[in-house]
Amino acid sequence: QVQLQESGPGLVKPSQTLSLTCTVSGGSIRSSGYYWTWIRQHPGKGLEWIGYIYYSGSTYYNPSLKSRVSISVDTSKDQFSLKLNSVTAADTAVYYCARARIAATGIDWFDPWGQGTLVTVSS
Amino acid sequence: SYELTQPPSVSVSPGQTASISCSGDQLGNKYACWYQQKPGQSPVLVIYQNTKRPSGIPERFSGSNSGNTATLTISGTQAIDEADYYCQAWDSSHGVVFGGGTKLTVL
Repeated sequence: QVQLQESGPGLVKPSQTLSLTCTVSGGSIRSSGYYWTWIRQHPGKGLEWIGYIYYSGSTYYNPSLKSRVSISVDTSKDQFSLKLNSVTAADTAVYYCARARIAATGIDWFDPWGQGTLVTVSS
Repeated sequence: SYELTQPPSVSVSPGQTASISCSGDQLGNKYACWYQQKPGQSPVLVIYQNTKRPSGIPERFSGSNSGNTATLTISGTQAIDEADYYCQAWDSSHGVVFGGGTKLTVL
């Protein structure tokens, strides 16, 4: 079965760029019918969708984060990555990667999810 | 913006039926899904396309969606069902939308 694992620094300084990678195992990132997604959860809060990418490189971002977000894919490594620039303390959150089922329009559901990684923005 | 509204908390006695609502404008015209998240764990999909259960999810979990409200129902609630539950849908203008989450307490 497909599994996802996030990796990257747990501490980022304000104004710098947050960079995370998600590695897909047990399946191919080139599978048709799925997007590969980043979602975050602020401490003690709800879920916020960041954006997703198709293996071809097509992306779609949350309009509220679009100006600071970039998601890329490396099909040779079955990995996709998140970059969030100009971070502040408000970007401190647990960041999850997840596989998203493509619907006729947009996304149907997210399954499975990675275990999540806490990123703290602090000097 | 498109919003999904959930009650912050729901309480249920063991063995009883728990219902968690998720309200949004014309939500019944969209597909809704539900995630269960236990403390310190990642969310797990429990209902997709309004009513379908993924493999491995107990039959006591069911879903419905009509009008402006989607509902997650847990029949014969067990202590292990105590968790946060989130609804989610797709909006053509705003993309992925999550509800604010509901904390289910099994008393």
